[in-house]
Amino acid sequence: QVQLRESGPGLVKPSETLSLTCAVSGDSIKNYYWSWIRQPPGKGLEWIASFSYSGSTTYNPSLKSRVTMSGDTSKNLLSLEVTSVTAADTAVYYCATEVSAGRLDYWGQGVLVAVSS
Amino acid sequence: QSAVTQTPSASGTPGQRVTLSCSGSTSNIGSNTVNWYQQFPGTAPRLLIYANDQRPSGVPDRFSGSKSDTSASLAISGLQSEDEADYFCLTWDDSLNGWVFGGGTKLTVL
Repeated sequence: QVQLRESGPGLVKPSETLSLTCAVSGDSIKNYYWSWIRQPPGKGLEWIASFSYSGSTTYNPSLKSRVTMSGDTSKNLLSLEVTSVTAADTAVYYCATEVSAGRLDYWGQGVLVAVSS
Repeated sequence: QSAVTQTPSASGTPGQRVTLSCSGSTSNIGSNTVNWYQQFPGTAPRLLIYANDQRPSGVPDRFSGSKSDTSASLAISGLQSEDEADYFCLTWDDSLNGWVFGGGTKLTVL
């Protein structure tokens, strides 16, 4: 069974870059599609980006100019960078995967990132 | 504003049947399957229904899903206090070329 575990800084200053990682176990990131999703406190879920080892990476147009998602197959790790963060980027960030087509069926526990000076 | 909309809140009494809805468009629900998630505070979403009406193993048959055209529904029968949670629908959007979530429905068991 695939397991995902996010990690991140916890607190980031406005205008700085947020960097998150998602450690994957139980399968290789060479398989499946992998996604980042976020959830601001008390709000709904927002898709950020999806990555496939085959080369395709897609981004939410609302975030595309500030976001980069990548994968490190040697460490079986996914990464997400969000540049020029503001308070609006404060959220719990989740990584998830589409082991079975058409659904995000495995999720990490999420990591809370606050943007504040 | 999400491309897929859900009623922000719903409520029911124990034993009652409640139906939550998810409304989209031809580029998302109209063209792709719908998934439903249950989320408790401080926890990750749990897959409740996939492919419109399929239940993963371990999900009680009190939960059922359906889809028609550009709308989908999640029905919960025999409502229990532990069903009090947030419920989100998720589908793929061909125009966005990405996942789109409904805004979520907060279900209260009175």
